[in-house]
Amino acid sequence: AQKVTQAQTEISVVEKEDVTLDCVYETRDTTYYLFWYKQPPSGELVFLIRRNSFDEQNEISGRYSWNFQKSTSSFNFTITASQVVDSAVYFCALSEPLITGANNLFFGTGTRLTVIP
Amino acid sequence: GAGVSQSPSNKVTEKGKDVELRCDPISGHTALYWYRQSLGQGLEFLIYFQGNSAPDKSGLPSDRFSAERTGGSVSTLTIQRTQQEDSAVYLCASSFSGRASTDTQYFGPGTRLTVL
Repeated sequence: AQKVTQAQTEISVVEKEDVTLDCVYETRDTTYYLFWYKQPPSGELVFLIRRNSFDEQNEISGRYSWNFQKSTSSFNFTITASQVVDSAVYFCALSEPLITGANNLFFGTGTRLTVIP
Repeated sequence: GAGVSQSPSNKVTEKGKDVELRCDPISGHTALYWYRQSLGQGLEFLIYFQGNSAPDKSGLPSDRFSAERTGGSVSTLTIQRTQQEDSAVYLCASSFSGRASTDTQYFGPGTRLTVL
């Protein structure tokens, strides 16, 4: 079973629109960690955010914000006033170290965001 | 400081040949990970090194895959008798301590492997 589900395969928005990328995860671990990475056309995965399972505070960083809800096992990512430079594939990932005994990441299949100028 | 570096950036090989992919982690990082990104399988974990401990090989897809980490720094991923299904981008990541409670993995640019 997929541990991380990103149901949106591709999204297109017009520049300056807001966009939310969905992420739903599944784990039996009591302590786990969630991540978002950006993969621009250059190919390198760029770290965006890391969230512990016991910290449900939402976070804002500039135009980026994240909504973590344990009740629905979701960790959604919103870009406000999107820009062309936001065009990339975005990956949500999970680590469950108590179950796996390791810190390897389980990735979703990614959401390709295209921002149209 | 310098990020994770990988070489070569591209590798084209013939089916049945062996290949070696190299990863230089961020200086001071004790944990190193290899992942593979392919169209069919997405991003999948391969192997994990933490300091001088025995590596976690649970993600290696077959015994044709192996990896070493010399001196706790540079790592080499070796694929023997390559098959066409090995074609993928191989990504390396490193993190400071390997502790889940504090760590973030930083990725290199990847090596694109094409097996003809």
